[in-house]
Amino acid sequence: AQKVTQAQTEISVVEKEDVTLDCVYETRDTTYYLFWYKQPPSGELVFLIRRNSFDEQNEISGRYSWNFQKSTSSFNFTITASQVVDSAVYFCALSDARGGGKLIFGQGTELSVKP
Amino acid sequence: KAGVTQTPRYLIKTRGQQVTLSCSPISGHRSVSWYQQTPGQGLQFLFEYFSETQRNKGNFPGRFSGRQFSNSRSEMNVSTLELGDSALYLCASKRSGAPGELFFGEGSRLTVL
Repeated sequence: AQKVTQAQTEISVVEKEDVTLDCVYETRDTTYYLFWYKQPPSGELVFLIRRNSFDEQNEISGRYSWNFQKSTSSFNFTITASQVVDSAVYFCALSDARGGGKLIFGQGTELSVKP
Repeated sequence: KAGVTQTPRYLIKTRGQQVTLSCSPISGHRSVSWYQQTPGQGLQFLFEYFSETQRNKGNFPGRFSGRQFSNSRSEMNVSTLELGDSALYLCASKRSGAPGELFFGEGSRLTVL
């Protein structure tokens, strides 16, 4: 069975601090996809990134970076120099190789960035 | 480009009633998925439709059903409502060739009294 665990329920930081959101996954598949989604206070979930299981290169996009390590089944997300607008609930998710609309989501980490 | 549109945004029903929720995907997106979001269970997959066919189904009772029309619009129906069905129901559409890249609507918030 597939499972995603986000052990951090809530994180609170002060603006400009770096913050890392942890994600650990379980799957028996050798090919799969991992994702991060953001749900701001307004409610709409927004896709941030996709990684396939064969691509362990770290990815950086502006202040966001992602670290995928198959050896530890982790796909962590770091926000550098956090801003108030980063306040949201962040979800890590997993899908099988078909990459359809069925995602297994973690419970989410609520990030609060205070000015 | 218009986003995913869900109607109604809010609704209140009583136990035993049924409800139908509607979702209009982004133009050109043929895959529509439905999720239930609750504080306790988080985001749970209900089902996915592609070209009017159910492609995948989550672990929900048969009271939850859905369908997709030829214009890719989708509806989900919950019959014999229970208190535990109170949730935010999210619809997401996806274009072909973009694995797992879902575009979500704002959701329909259902309250069952």
